[in-house]
Amino acid sequence: TAGITQAPTSQILAAGRSMTLRCTQDMRHNAMYWYRQDLGLGLRLIHYSNTAGTTGKGEVPDGYSVSRANTDDFPLTLASAVPSQTSVYFCASSDSVGHEGYGYTFGSGTRLTVV
Amino acid sequence: GQNIDQPTEMTATEGAIVQINCTYQTSGFNGLFWYQQHAGEAPTFLSYNVLDGLEEKGRFSSFLSRSKGYSYLLLKELQMKDSASYLCAVVDSNYQLIWGAGTKLIIKP
Repeated sequence: TAGITQAPTSQILAAGRSMTLRCTQDMRHNAMYWYRQDLGLGLRLIHYSNTAGTTGKGEVPDGYSVSRANTDDFPLTLASAVPSQTSVYFCASSDSVGHEGYGYTFGSGTRLTVV
Repeated sequence: GQNIDQPTEMTATEGAIVQINCTYQTSGFNGLFWYQQHAGEAPTFLSYNVLDGLEEKGRFSSFLSRSKGYSYLLLKELQMKDSASYLCAVVDSNYQLIWGAGTKLIIKP
């Protein structure tokens, strides 16, 4: 089934450790995004990539880094995790930056707990 | 700043009609999305409005008034499976999506 695969599904991480959340899509979408979703808040954009080889900062980029070496993969790295990074992380993709009404396709999410 | 406002929670009865409102103040406007998100799952696309008016899609309809910065999602013939959060998102002038916090809809038998 075409779509976005995120791994792991959930993780408990000790504060100060590093971790990479994986995201792979097979739809050949140009644009990819990482969001975090916290209770009572809307989805907040961490980083985005409009096309392979380029990345940009979103609303809440501090403490996170991304890379986009190819079209399909868009990993998110936490260099040194802190408890405030406890959240549900969603990866998403879209066919074009302008969306053209088709919106985003989301992965199933990674639930991360930093202790 | 940019802001999307939606009610936090609504309750409705199975078989009834419910309207979920969304107001927005954003830097530019290039369209408005509604997404459905069941608990513990990813958001899924429901509708997209870029012109004023009503877009109907089965039991769900979405309305937009750009001059008022206002949209609503109308759900008819409510079913228990419609219990979910409904997210409003606006595409701003930089083609970034600005998300509301979502409205949790509870359907009672």
